[in-house]
Amino acid sequence: RKEVEQDPGPFNVPEGATVAFNCTYSNSASQSFFWYRQDCRKEPKLLMSVYSSGNEDGRFTAQLNRASQYISLLIRDSKLSDSATYLCVVNKDKLVFGAGTILRVKS
Amino acid sequence: NAGVTQTPKFQVLKTGQSMTLQCAQDMNHEYMSWYRQDPGMGLRLIHYSVGAGITDQGEVPNGYNVSRSTTEDFPLRLLSAAPSQTSVYFCATQTGGRSQPQHFGDGTRLSIL
Repeated sequence: RKEVEQDPGPFNVPEGATVAFNCTYSNSASQSFFWYRQDCRKEPKLLMSVYSSGNEDGRFTAQLNRASQYISLLIRDSKLSDSATYLCVVNKDKLVFGAGTILRVKS
Repeated sequence: NAGVTQTPKFQVLKTGQSMTLQCAQDMNHEYMSWYRQDPGMGLRLIHYSVGAGITDQGEVPNGYNVSRSTTEDFPLRLLSAAPSQTSVYFCATQTGGRSQPQHFGDGTRLSIL
């Protein structure tokens, strides 16, 4: 079983839609969690950290469920520019990256 | 600030050749690491360093060497290139805490023929 698992997608959604991604992790001792965004042929960039109480940054909301060992990312009012691959990242002794979920927002 | 600078951006090698991928940072971060990214897989850690003079192996270290003589530089050496090392390589830095996110260079696309 992979340490961090994501649905690879692609998720094809129209502009303005709400879309959610989940990510599961296997190491219950994981300490910190992140969502990164990666555009085609570019480097990953931090989108947001994920806190135990859940956190929001504009149209983006991240949630952590330690009991079920998953994190989620909700994107509201999708924009064309949100099209990218979203990487779930879990940290215990080192960062472990999921393979990513592809999002395509279409007009 | 340049952040994390990787060179070269593209490289084609023949099987058996050796080369060094360069990574330099100007953020004074202690922690540096090298990843490879292959289709359908997450970034996999090759080697990492928690400070000058200290390096350690990651998940997929075979066929690669690293050194960390200064805080700023963390080169990755391919000893004898193999087609299985065709990949995109990313260097990343991180401030000291393990809970801190990483800053990535823009990658080196390497093809081994």
